[in-house]
Amino acid sequence: GENVEQHPSTLSVQEGDSAVIKCTYSDSASNYFPWYKQELGKRPQLIIDIRSNVGEKKDQRIAVTLNKTAKHFSLHITETQPEDSAVYFCAVHSGGSYIPTFGRGTSLIVHP
Amino acid sequence: EAGVAQSPRYKIIEKRQSVAFWCNPISGHATLYWYQQILGQGPKLLIQFQNNGVVDDSQLPKDRFSAERLKGVDSTLKIQPAKLEDSAVYLCASSPRQGLNTEAFFGQGTRLTVV
Repeated sequence: GENVEQHPSTLSVQEGDSAVIKCTYSDSASNYFPWYKQELGKRPQLIIDIRSNVGEKKDQRIAVTLNKTAKHFSLHITETQPEDSAVYFCAVHSGGSYIPTFGRGTSLIVHP
Repeated sequence: EAGVAQSPRYKIIEKRQSVAFWCNPISGHATLYWYQQILGQGPKLLIQFQNNGVVDDSQLPKDRFSAERLKGVDSTLKIQPAKLEDSAVYLCASSPRQGLNTEAFFGQGTRLTVV
């Protein structure tokens, strides 16, 4: 099955700094890579996603990059704000079965 | 558009008791997922349905867990008998279609505590 590694497990930054979270995966046929944000006590919600035919995608302060050769993708948050504080999960959809596998999560803390 | 509905929100049971969770996905969504999220970890897929058929249940502890999605709409997840290590949040999610790799819309979850 798919193996997804997510790093770091915790990330503490000052307001205005950038934050980068990285995930690696094992199945080279995987083709869909969403990122979810989960605030304390709430449901995970999609913030950005990327498909295997695209190398980068941006949405305001959030961007995702994908390196298919190296089998890793990263979430970039610029100009962080306290409301960005949450747990972020990457997920990988396996190519043949479309079964999603989640990373273990990164707890992002943005200090005002 | 109404979201994914789950009930109950919280449940406390003693070990060896039984419990059932209910999920109503977003109308028209063909794919339904049940996830187990243990505190401090990412969601772990238990079972995935496409309409009323099972796509994957390889991580479902079938000796104690069961799930069904009759008529391809609502779904129930049952644990019988519960163990202490089953304490977790059980998340239901739905997607419009399998195969097109679309996002999953999550419900609020059911927080289960086994004592």
